[in-house]
Amino acid sequence: QKEVEQDPGPLSVPEGAIVSLNCTYSNSAFQYFMWYRQYSRKGPELLMYTYSSGNKEDGRFTAQVDKSSKYISLFIRDSQPSDSATYLCATKTSYDKVIFGPGTSLSVIP
Amino acid sequence: DGGITQSPKYLFRKEGQNVTLSCEQNLNHDAMYWYRQDPGQGLRLIYYSQIVNDFQKGDIAEGYSVSREKKESFPLTVTSAQKNPTAFYLCASSISEDSSYQPQHFGDGTRLSIL
Repeated sequence: QKEVEQDPGPLSVPEGAIVSLNCTYSNSAFQYFMWYRQYSRKGPELLMYTYSSGNKEDGRFTAQVDKSSKYISLFIRDSQPSDSATYLCATKTSYDKVIFGPGTSLSVIP
Repeated sequence: DGGITQSPKYLFRKEGQNVTLSCEQNLNHDAMYWYRQDPGQGLRLIYYSQIVNDFQKGDIAEGYSVSREKKESFPLTVTSAQKNPTAFYLCASSISEDSSYQPQHFGDGTRLSIL
C-alpha cells in the first residue's frame, strides 16, 4: 500500500463549479498536510498547509484534514480556468521526510 | 526576486554519458532537495542536504550523485549507472530540515531525456 494515494483523474469541471480533491494516507503519525499546485512544465507551488486535523480557508481554497479517517481534501470554490493544473497532496511526520501523492489533474472548462 | 533557478530546462543524455543538472537558490535556505517526477507517481526524493558539505541519500539515490560546496548551490549528476534517467527533475529548498514543518520552495525543473 502506498503511503499517500490520490485519484490521478483527469477531472474536468465547468467554470464556477466547486471542486473537491482528495487524498488518503496510511501512516497515523503524519502531522503536517500540504497541498501543492503544479502547472504544466513548472515546479509545484505551495497552496496551503495545515497541522493536525481541522479546516483551513484561504480565499477560494479550503483544506480539510480528518485524521480519524486518514483523509485530506482540498475544496476550490468558484473554479476558474486558471485553476487548471495538477494538484499534489503531501504529508509528513515531525521527524521524517515529506511524502507526496501522485497528483490529480484538473481542467476547468470556460 | 528570491527563488530557485534550475538549468537547463531541457537536457538530452547519450548512452554512457554523465550529465549534471544545476540548482541555485538565493533564499538563504539551509536545506536543499532533489526529486524525480515520473507520470502517475509522486515526487521521489533522490538526495537532500541539510547544510553545506553534508548530504544524505533519499529513496532512489542509486545512479545519482550530488555535492554541496556552497550554501546556494546543489548540483545533481545523473551517471551512466542510472539506466532509466528519463524524467522531470525538481530541486527544492527550505529554511532548514528539523522537526517542525518548513515549506519547500521548488524550481521549475529540468526535463531529461535519452538520445
